[in-house]
Amino acid sequence: DQQVKQNSPSLSVQEGRISILNCDYTNSMFDYFLWYKKYPAEGPTFLISISSIKDKNEDGRFTVFLNKSAKHLSLHIVPSQPGDSAVYFCAASDLGTNAGKSTFGDGTTLTVKP
Amino acid sequence: SQTIHQWPATLVQPVGSPLSLECTVEGTSNPNLYWYRQAAGRGLQLLFYSVGIGQISSEVPQNLSASRPQDRQFILSSKKLLLSDSGFYLCAWNPGGYEQFFGPGTRLTVL
Repeated sequence: DQQVKQNSPSLSVQEGRISILNCDYTNSMFDYFLWYKKYPAEGPTFLISISSIKDKNEDGRFTVFLNKSAKHLSLHIVPSQPGDSAVYFCAASDLGTNAGKSTFGDGTTLTVKP
Repeated sequence: SQTIHQWPATLVQPVGSPLSLECTVEGTSNPNLYWYRQAAGRGLQLLFYSVGIGQISSEVPQNLSASRPQDRQFILSSKKLLLSDSGFYLCAWNPGGYEQFFGPGTRLTVL
């Protein structure tokens, strides 16, 4: 059973508009959530994270929202830029285990059109 | 600053051949180390992690093994590769928090 799900394999948006990437999880023990960005043939790079004690975290154009009751989080990118085109992975961690170990979703490929 | 290295970048191996992928981290000590595999069109599957020298935890049963002979060295191995071992292999480290830092990856094709 996949514990972290990104149900949209791909998303296409126009430059300057908002990109919203969604992620759902099933394990209620998860208490820290991260988003990574990955370009082809490269390793993922950390983008933004949120603790379960918060419902929002913002960093420049990137904002992550967490709805614990719905076990849902989303990443908003405003405004979207062509350089944002990449695969975005949602990941979740459980404080009770090895803190660095994360469970990843399958990713969403974002394409930002000029 | 910390740096993570992986080699080789690409590898093509016949079925039944052995495998050795190496990962090293510079600029830190006693990191947590991880091996992931990304199959085509899929997410990152955690294969092994290590919290110290000689300490290896396996996440999924498979044809692969891992070793940590030195503090900042993590090796992924196989005695006999299968077709299903093809994929993009990523090494990652973290200093003990949540964020992981990934290497550039190795593209393995088993023919």
